[in-house]
Amino acid sequence: DTAVSQTPKYLVTQMGNDKSIKCEQNLGHDTMYWYKQDSKKFLKIMFSYNNKELIINETVPNRFSPKSPDKAHLNLHINSLELGDSAVYFCASSEWNTEAFFGQGTRLTVV
Amino acid sequence: AQKVTQAQTEISVVEKEDVTLDCVYETRDTTYYLFWYKQPPSGELVFLIRRNSFDEQNEISGRYSWNFQKSTSSFNFTITASQVVDSAVYFCALSSNYTGANSKLTFGKGITLSVRP
Repeated sequence: DTAVSQTPKYLVTQMGNDKSIKCEQNLGHDTMYWYKQDSKKFLKIMFSYNNKELIINETVPNRFSPKSPDKAHLNLHINSLELGDSAVYFCASSEWNTEAFFGQGTRLTVV
Repeated sequence: AQKVTQAQTEISVVEKEDVTLDCVYETRDTTYYLFWYKQPPSGELVFLIRRNSFDEQNEISGRYSWNFQKSTSSFNFTITASQVVDSAVYFCALSSNYTGANSKLTFGKGITLSVRP
């Protein structure tokens, strides 16, 4: 019954690898997001999608590529991982200007 | 540009004390939305409240209360009779009245609240 679910919860990988994080929401929301939380707990928007269309791309490196096969799914693919990509990545969904519901987060560690 | 300032970084209280978490925001929009989220040690982000810019009524939910004052651009959060389970990082956030996916959340840096038994 999880509203927003993302997998995996933990991801440890070596520099230079490519990895994906998957996100699914069963709330029927039109909008989905990716947020990044850094080591100081600061949360910042990365991307937003509305009905599979990219709306916000907040100056994220090209190595990050979101993909939305349908409005219930928003995956995040990261190429050529760098040490600085280590963070917690949160998927979220919402309707227009209502509260966003967040997934449990994916803790990515690049070694 | 939008900005949310949570000047307090860490607060430590003893159980049953009242504690107020401050939030000051900046926006040029006349219509906007304010939020509070809780992030317990387990890491998930839990929605607490959403407030429209045109609704300045204070809100109370159990031990939680929120004071929204447009005149000072503040949206403060008070926990009455704090409990150990209130220990968490609390985020204040702002979004503007844009349509669809433009309604992104701008977060403050968060306040770490520790409630000691």
